[in-house]
Amino acid sequence: EVQLVQSGAEVKKPGESLKISCQGSGYSFSDYWIAWVRQMPGKGLEWMGIIYPGDSNTRYSPSFQGHVTISADKSVTTAYLQWSSLKASDTAMYYCARHRSKYSVNSDFDYWGQGTPVTASS
Amino acid sequence: DIVLTQSPGTLSLSPGERATLFCRASQSVGSNYLAWYQQKPGQAPRLLVHGASRRATGIPDRFSGSGSGTDFTLTISRLEPEDFAVYHCQQYAGSVTFGGGTKVEIK
Repeated sequence: EVQLVQSGAEVKKPGESLKISCQGSGYSFSDYWIAWVRQMPGKGLEWMGIIYPGDSNTRYSPSFQGHVTISADKSVTTAYLQWSSLKASDTAMYYCARHRSKYSVNSDFDYWGQGTPVTASS
Repeated sequence: DIVLTQSPGTLSLSPGERATLFCRASQSVGSNYLAWYQQKPGQAPRLLVHGASRRATGIPDRFSGSGSGTDFTLTISRLEPEDFAVYHCQQYAGSVTFGGGTKVEIK
């Protein structure tokens, strides 16, 4: 069974750093792109970027480039999303999701993590 | 980036009725690069349709997608109680973007 399990809820202060995780299981983790998606409270979905765990090839949405870092460690089948300095506006739910099409950079998402809520508040 | 506009914002219907949701793209996404998701409160989105018209694994046949180019439709033939949710369209022709969502609520 394919599963993406995300790390738990985080409460941080603006300016602090944070790294959240998404562990995949039940499939060949290295072979499928993983995306990160933001959902601010009461709002729609926003694509942040993707990573190919096989070689750590990464692509970012221009809206998030420079503010977050996406990484992966295929040895522990885990992808990461990190901030070096959180802003209050980063308060949101963050989802990881797997590309349905193996190897393909252009794909819909067939499996999703349960979400990690992040709150950045002073 | 390709902008997706979903309409209506909210659809108020009764169980058993037919729901028709629209997604319009600011430029062509071809016939293959459009997906639909269902999201219930407190849950992650669930893939319903990919390639504009292909139902994802395990999705009931009351859900159907159609369209190409810039105009796409998701139809739920007869609403079941579990279908009341928010629906998102997504294009993946280039960079990925999502529409703003349509909420299907009980009338």
